[in-house]
Amino acid sequence: AQTVTQSQPEMSVQEAETVTLSCTYDTSESDYYLFWYKQPPSRQMILVIRQEAYKQQNATENRFSVNFQKAAKSFSLKISDSQLGDAAMYFCAYRSPEYSGNTPLVFGKGTRLSVIA
Amino acid sequence: EAGVTQFPSHSVIEKGQTVTLRCDPISGHDNLYWYRRVMGKEIKFLLHFVKESKQDESGMPNNRFLAERTGGTYSTLKVQPAELEDSGVYFCASSQEIATGPGTQYFGPGTRLLVL
Repeated sequence: AQTVTQSQPEMSVQEAETVTLSCTYDTSESDYYLFWYKQPPSRQMILVIRQEAYKQQNATENRFSVNFQKAAKSFSLKISDSQLGDAAMYFCAYRSPEYSGNTPLVFGKGTRLSVIA
Repeated sequence: EAGVTQFPSHSVIEKGQTVTLRCDPISGHDNLYWYRRVMGKEIKFLLHFVKESKQDESGMPNNRFLAERTGGTYSTLKVQPAELEDSGVYFCASSQEIATGPGTQYFGPGTRLLVL
């Protein structure tokens, strides 16, 4: 079974600075998808960024980018120019390819990010 | 477009009582998932509907949990009778038909259940 590990329960960053959240995973599959979700204190969980394992290029979405290291099974999230609104719980998640018949997300425990003004 | 909605947002019940949670997915999303997060632990998968059919219910903890999705629209998750360990946040998510691609799941705000 796949597992996802987020080794940083809590992180903090100064406003306008850059922070990197780590995520590692364990799988024997070669095709899969990786996601970062953000859950602000208001509780609605939203997708931040996603990465297909077959793509070598790291995904980026505005101030959010990932460092995807397939061989190392690492999928870190970098937030540049941090803003107060970035404060949230961040979850890393894994999903097997659809042809495996197993599509639920496997989550890490989350990293709580605080942004200091 | 409306997102995934869940009702109620909070529920406090006593052990042995029954609670029913509701999820309305994004319109047109055939896939509906239930997840649960117990305090301090990972978000765990409970079950997956494709339209009105249960595709995968391997994550359901026991037979006190009953999920339905009549007509392939909204879904309910009933816990009967509730136990202390059922406390947590129950999330619902939906996604479009998975053909090729990541099948991104969109989450509701969750229902926070506390069993006393």
